[in-house]
Amino acid sequence: QKEVEQNSGPLSVPEGAIASLNCTYSDRGSQSFFWYRQYSGKSPELIMFIYSNGDKEDGRFTAQLNKASQYVSLLIRDSQPSDSATYLCAVKRGYNTDKLIFGTGTRLQVFP
Amino acid sequence: SAVISQKPSRDICQRGTSLTIQCQVDSQVTMMFWYRQQPGQSLTLIATANQGSEATYESGFVIDKFPISRPNLTFSTLTVSNMSPEDSSIYLCSVDSGISGGYWETQYFGPGTRLLVL
Repeated sequence: QKEVEQNSGPLSVPEGAIASLNCTYSDRGSQSFFWYRQYSGKSPELIMFIYSNGDKEDGRFTAQLNKASQYVSLLIRDSQPSDSATYLCAVKRGYNTDKLIFGTGTRLQVFP
Repeated sequence: SAVISQKPSRDICQRGTSLTIQCQVDSQVTMMFWYRQQPGQSLTLIATANQGSEATYESGFVIDKFPISRPNLTFSTLTVSNMSPEDSSIYLCSVDSGISGGYWETQYFGPGTRLLVL
């Protein structure tokens, strides 16, 4: 079992819809959770981070964390074609907290 | 967030040669990290480089193959030694947002170095 798992996709959604990206993690002691966006040929760009159970909203993005279910998600409201990218979920464990453990990423396609 | 630059941005190298990648940050940072992203794959941490101490390598990566320097709080280099086509990847430098490496701190990435080994 991989430590951080994501569906590789592609996830295809129409413009204006809500895109829901999911991530599960295996280490129950994991403390913090990050979503990065990576456009093709570019480096990862931090979108959201969340530490506490519940929702955290930033503009069109909402991160949701459920530590009991070891599940973190990213919702993108009013999806735009410019949101088409690979979304990487990353986790910091409860120990060696300087290290990020990345999932394999989910490719999102938003079509007009 | 810190502004991170990397040199070179890309290179094509012959097998058996070595390439040194530079990472420069516009502010002092405690922790710098080197990642590899192979084609179509996610990011894999190579090593953590802290100023004033030896780099800490992840499983599967060794100092002889990927020597790292960290001479000060704004600069680091990664050398890919005795390259083979399997080393063709994007190499990314990242820095922590804080000084302690705590779980509340985030990481920001440089633009990456795209390496092709023939």
